[in-house]
Amino acid sequence: GAVVSQHPSRVICKSGTSVKIECRSLDFQATTMFWYRQFPKQSLMLMATSNEGSKATYEQGVEKDKFLINHASLTLSTLTVTSAHPEDSSFYICSAVRDRGYNSPLHFGNGTRLTVT
Amino acid sequence: DAKTTQPPSMDCAEGRAANLPCNHSTISGNEYVYWYRQIHSQGPQYIIHGLKNNETNEMASLIITEDRKSSTLILPHATLRDTAVYYCIVRDLKPGTSYDKVIFGPGTSLSVIP
Repeated sequence: GAVVSQHPSRVICKSGTSVKIECRSLDFQATTMFWYRQFPKQSLMLMATSNEGSKATYEQGVEKDKFLINHASLTLSTLTVTSAHPEDSSFYICSAVRDRGYNSPLHFGNGTRLTVT
Repeated sequence: DAKTTQPPSMDCAEGRAANLPCNHSTISGNEYVYWYRQIHSQGPQYIIHGLKNNETNEMASLIITEDRKSSTLILPHATLRDTAVYYCIVRDLKPGTSYDKVIFGPGTSLSVIP
């Protein structure tokens, strides 16, 4: 159990366009989802934490108007990269947890490789 | 900032045990230690987690010191497929609030050598 599906796995878009990435928890309800991005040879950088039905909490330095996060249900969160630029090219990874207790592992999607040309 | 520190890299001979250390000296009483690994261009894979007792599953064992300030992940018989970056993390929660963060440090890059 505890499968998180992320879609698409790869996307190439032109500069100035927007891209939506979906993150779904397939066999559990996720009270919280986290969005990360990862540049080559670096660790995961937390972008934002989202709870179902409420606004996401963004990390310092992450533009909330550029990276729109919608956690519309207990099984779906989306990240939209608006007006993408080449510097937004990165590996984006979502994760989900069942509850807000300490004893609740994060379950990760397989990531989305975004390339902006 | 991450609540954990790990050595940046380690080597291990194939078939031998890989022991990956992690320091989490500021861990609080309710916080669990989680271990994940990431193979290139994939999402992190859950390995194991624990609070204060040692834990074992089909993938690994987790040894947590009595003072809980450090832990060791043990892969009992490392194979080439265990080559990955291993992350030790602590979930930063404030109960009763919406504060909930999981910050990753750089992890340990484990190379299993034939």
